[in-house]
Amino acid sequence: GIQVEQSPPDLILQEGANSTLRCNFSDSVNNLQWFHQNPWGQLINLFYIPSGTKQNGRLSATTVATERYSLLYISSSQTTDSGVYFCAVVDRGSTLGRLYFGRGTQLTVWP
Amino acid sequence: SAVISQKPSRDICQRGTSLTIQCQVDSQVTMMFWYRQQPGQSLTLIATANQGSEATYESGFVIDKFPISRPNLTFSTLTVSNMSPEDSSIYLCSARTNSGNTIYFGEGSWLTVV
Repeated sequence: GIQVEQSPPDLILQEGANSTLRCNFSDSVNNLQWFHQNPWGQLINLFYIPSGTKQNGRLSATTVATERYSLLYISSSQTTDSGVYFCAVVDRGSTLGRLYFGRGTQLTVWP
Repeated sequence: SAVISQKPSRDICQRGTSLTIQCQVDSQVTMMFWYRQQPGQSLTLIATANQGSEATYESGFVIDKFPISRPNLTFSTLTVSNMSPEDSSIYLCSARTNSGNTIYFGEGSWLTVV
């Protein structure tokens, strides 16, 4: 299956700082999503972004499909941003929508 | 979008017993999936729940251990059978809507086997 690598694995920030999370994938995709998993285990869908750039408040994401990577930007971080951020993809050959997940980036924001 | 409800949200189970997790979607969906997330790990697909037929299991997962039902387009169940402490995980239901490519997740069912 398709390989998904996320970096960094861990990130510790002071409140108010900005950060960039990266996702590299090994093959062409027709779906890429970023998720935030809160401390209670719930996965929150942040972006559906197989290509291009999207913004939602303090968060934005860019996917360069031809170069097989995506970036998630968090600006003016808050303690509530803490949790694990996952990138997940569906390979271009799949019609089922099966997601391949990276290992995630554990973000901790201190007040 | 789709809202996915799972229950139970959390349970503590005795080893050797079985537990069934329910997943309800608020709209008809094309595909439903069950994932497992072991402590500190990423998500691993257990199976694709097919409406009206047997589920499609990923390598390493078998029907006897994880029987799945999907009687209609909005509901599915996953049973974790003959549980051992290694089955302690978050189990997540997900679905792909008819109208788009976004895949949504339920809030997860956190199982601890003692």
